[in-house]
Amino acid sequence: GQNIDQPTEMTATEGAIVQINCTYQTSGFNGLFWYQQHAGEAPTFLSYNVLDGLEEKGRFSSFLSRSKGYSYLLLKELQMKDSASYLCAVRPSGGYNKLIFGAGTRLAVHP
Amino acid sequence: DTAVSQTPKYLVTQMGNDKSIKCEQNLGHDTMYWYKQDSKKFLKIMFSYNNKELIINETVPNRFSPKSPDKAHLNLHINSLELGDSAVYFCASSQGTWETQYFGPGTRLLVL
Repeated sequence: GQNIDQPTEMTATEGAIVQINCTYQTSGFNGLFWYQQHAGEAPTFLSYNVLDGLEEKGRFSSFLSRSKGYSYLLLKELQMKDSASYLCAVRPSGGYNKLIFGAGTRLAVHP
Repeated sequence: DTAVSQTPKYLVTQMGNDKSIKCEQNLGHDTMYWYKQDSKKFLKIMFSYNNKELIINETVPNRFSPKSPDKAHLNLHINSLELGDSAVYFCASSQGTWETQYFGPGTRLLVL
């Protein structure tokens, strides 16, 4: 079966750093995506990893270890507007662009 | 604005009715998708079309029928609506069958 696990909720303080973990078990692997979803809005693309290592994009970075079935999203210099759900999605092998999503991690940033 | 758009944004209807949701993208993408996000917030893919051809068809009741009149549009028709169909339905598109997917604003369907 396909399984994506993320913590349900996290809290952090404005200006701090937070790491959101994602572990996956899928039938093969062809890439991992992170999306941000504010309440009542569409998911918006944040990052993509297909090779092991760290991808940095401004305040956001994403890490992948394929051998461990593990990824994390690192958010630096947290701002209040970063309060949202963060969705981890894996593209398994052999199926066009079919993404398997985790349930998302709801992040609350406090002053 | 270049984007993925959906209509309607909200849809409240009675059990047993038939309804349609429309999606349009002006990004020039070749591939479009329908996802369902239930109350537990899981996003699950339902269908995908590439250049008007169905390429992903998940285990979805056959009351749900997608239709792509051209590669910029993907509509979803639902027959005999049931309570369990209440969810947010998101349309998405990507340049090809391998590229990043971009989502529309969602259609909030409530079946009473």
